[in-house]
Amino acid sequence: ETGVTQTPRHLVMGMTNKKSLKCEQHLGHNAMYWYKQSAKKPLELMFVYSLEERVENNSVPSRFSPECPNSSHLFLHLHTLQPEDSALYLCASSPKQGYEQYFGPGTRLTVT
Amino acid sequence: AQKVTQAQTEISVVEKEDVTLDCVYETRDTTYYLFWYKQPPSGELVFLIRRNSFDEQNEISGRYSWNFQKSTSSFNFTITASQVVDSAVYFCALSGSYLNTGFQKLVFGSGTRLLVSP
Repeated sequence: ETGVTQTPRHLVMGMTNKKSLKCEQHLGHNAMYWYKQSAKKPLELMFVYSLEERVENNSVPSRFSPECPNSSHLFLHLHTLQPEDSALYLCASSPKQGYEQYFGPGTRLTVT
Repeated sequence: AQKVTQAQTEISVVEKEDVTLDCVYETRDTTYYLFWYKQPPSGELVFLIRRNSFDEQNEISGRYSWNFQKSTSSFNFTITASQVVDSAVYFCALSGSYLNTGFQKLVFGSGTRLLVSP
């Protein structure tokens, strides 16, 4: 079974829609992450959860809202997105902070 | 602040050639970790290796080898006898503090795209 799963794999949404991305890790890890990967840009860390505690990142627009109900699940709630938010959204987990992260396959998001 | 530089944007080789991907990093931490990841066209980042800053021994895993030199702040990755399946984007990463908190994160380089042709 894949260690980190993400659903959906592809998502097309309008600017007025509300959707959620889901991530699940089966590795027993304590930390989970959301990244954004845009074309020709470095990986951008959006949110970090460690033992279900979130580290605030004020540089991420409020139209992205994370949720971590337990150590195995991570959500990214999306609302009123902009076309520039179209990207590959990657979820990752790690056994502890600073250690290697294991990534899911990503959700390819297109905002129309 | 931590920084990772992968100066090679794209490298093209012919199958069976050896290729080295460069990685230079900056950090003020005395203890840190370095990583390499592979991102094939499918999109998923695959973890390849973690190296502790105290361990400068080179590592070999099959056709992959890594050369860590603390004196030059480099952590280079060599693929021997490259194959078409090695075509991917390769990322070097460094552990570092996050937003000046006690949390740790990975700082990624911009990646090197490797194209291996038959």
